[in-house]
Amino acid sequence: EAGVAQSPRYKIIEKRQSVAFWCNPISGHATLYWYQQILGQGPKLLIQFQNNGVVDDSQLPKDRFSAERLKGVDSTLKIQPAKLEDSAVYLCASSLIGAQPQHFGDGTRLSIL
Amino acid sequence: AQTVTQSQPEMSVQEAETVTLSCTYDTSESDYYLFWYKQPPSRQMILVIRQEAYKQQNATENRFSVNFQKAAKSFSLKISDSQLGDAAMYFCAYQPGNEKLTFGTGTRLTIIP
Repeated sequence: EAGVAQSPRYKIIEKRQSVAFWCNPISGHATLYWYQQILGQGPKLLIQFQNNGVVDDSQLPKDRFSAERLKGVDSTLKIQPAKLEDSAVYLCASSLIGAQPQHFGDGTRLSIL
Repeated sequence: AQTVTQSQPEMSVQEAETVTLSCTYDTSESDYYLFWYKQPPSRQMILVIRQEAYKQQNATENRFSVNFQKAAKSFSLKISDSQLGDAAMYFCAYQPGNEKLTFGTGTRLTIIP
């Protein structure tokens, strides 16, 4: 089966610019997650979707981050405006239901200049 | 709050030898899942092994096995017959029921030829 697809693989922007990441989960996976992984740390959950509804966005900095999952399949994560501390790898994951093992994409490495 | 602690930032092992990576967690839940994920330089988080807390039997997957001590809240990963391809960051993760996955800070494993 095809894995979780993410794009772009790398992105370099200047602070205060905007950026968007795209994720296509494994077919049939109802739950989709976005994680932020800062260098030297484990991934931290930003937002969890169940189909097209938000289950948990308690750690999403809502003043600058937004995410959507239209039609319950693909998802986009946006940052506007970016700050230096947003430099990280952004990982997307999906699972059949919340408690099942999560399958991860290759991530997007974001560098803020 | 649930926490996951990996006390070994780095480990190394000779090829074909056995190595054990440590993980402890803090929780008041009785029903949860524990995972070990591998993250090579390609950045993709790959599921290595999964343990359900209600199962007393330790999970095994080929050369990978865990020592799950529920009372001690310990979940170590043993890699037997280490191979060069095992070199990666290893993350321990905890998930109570359908709630979010919490990761440790990771252990960098180096395989010495």
